Amino acid sequence: NAGVTQTPKFRILKIGQSMTLQCTQDMNHNYMYWYRQDPGMGLKLIYYSVGAGITDKGEVPNGYNVSRSTTEDFPLRLELAAPSQTSVYFCASSYRDNYQPQHFGDGTRLSIL
Amino acid sequence: AQSVTQLDSQVPVFEEAPVELRCNYSSSVSVYLFWYVQYPNQGLQLLLKYLSGSTLVKGINGFEAEFNKSQTSFHLRKPSVHISDTAEYFCAVSVGGPSGTYKYIFGTGTRLKVLA
Repeated sequence: NAGVTQTPKFRILKIGQSMTLQCTQDMNHNYMYWYRQDPGMGLKLIYYSVGAGITDKGEVPNGYNVSRSTTEDFPLRLELAAPSQTSVYFCASSYRDNYQPQHFGDGTRLSIL
Repeated sequence: AQSVTQLDSQVPVFEEAPVELRCNYSSSVSVYLFWYVQYPNQGLQLLLKYLSGSTLVKGINGFEAEFNKSQTSFHLRKPSVHISDTAEYFCAVSVGGPSGTYKYIFGTGTRLKVLA
């Protein structure tokens, strides 16, 4: 089983460029999440979705956008890349938001130079 | 506000020695508790979870955790670690809120380094 797949695995961007981080899951999960992980800071929630067509902001949404047109896909868009967005980005999914564990992709390592 | 505290950012331990990774949470309502493990260049994987019932929970790779409601703790233990246990470990809680929604909160992680 593929689980949660993220592409690309690595990317270097110049300041001001834009890009989309892709995330797809094949477990028919309703809930999907985007986190960023910075050293010593744990995971910070950027955006989440409770189903197709429904998204909401997390703790650190500024500078990012998302969409959820299908159950499977939850892309994250950076419009004007800034050095502060250098981080490792993880996509996750779960069946529900209560006691169900989250399933994570392997991450996208993004550097903004 | 709810929070999760992992007091130790790094824990070095010799191979075959026991280890305890500490996790404390603050919440005035019932929570679900989780431990995840992250190996280098990978995403997080579920190690174990506490939902209800027995306060001692067993997980994969020989890890276990004990829920202590009075001390609001959920410490992770392993009696004998291996080199392959070197990884970062995250404690997480799922807390119920208004209108039936839940909020997932991660700790800042503990880096376990197993020494030969």
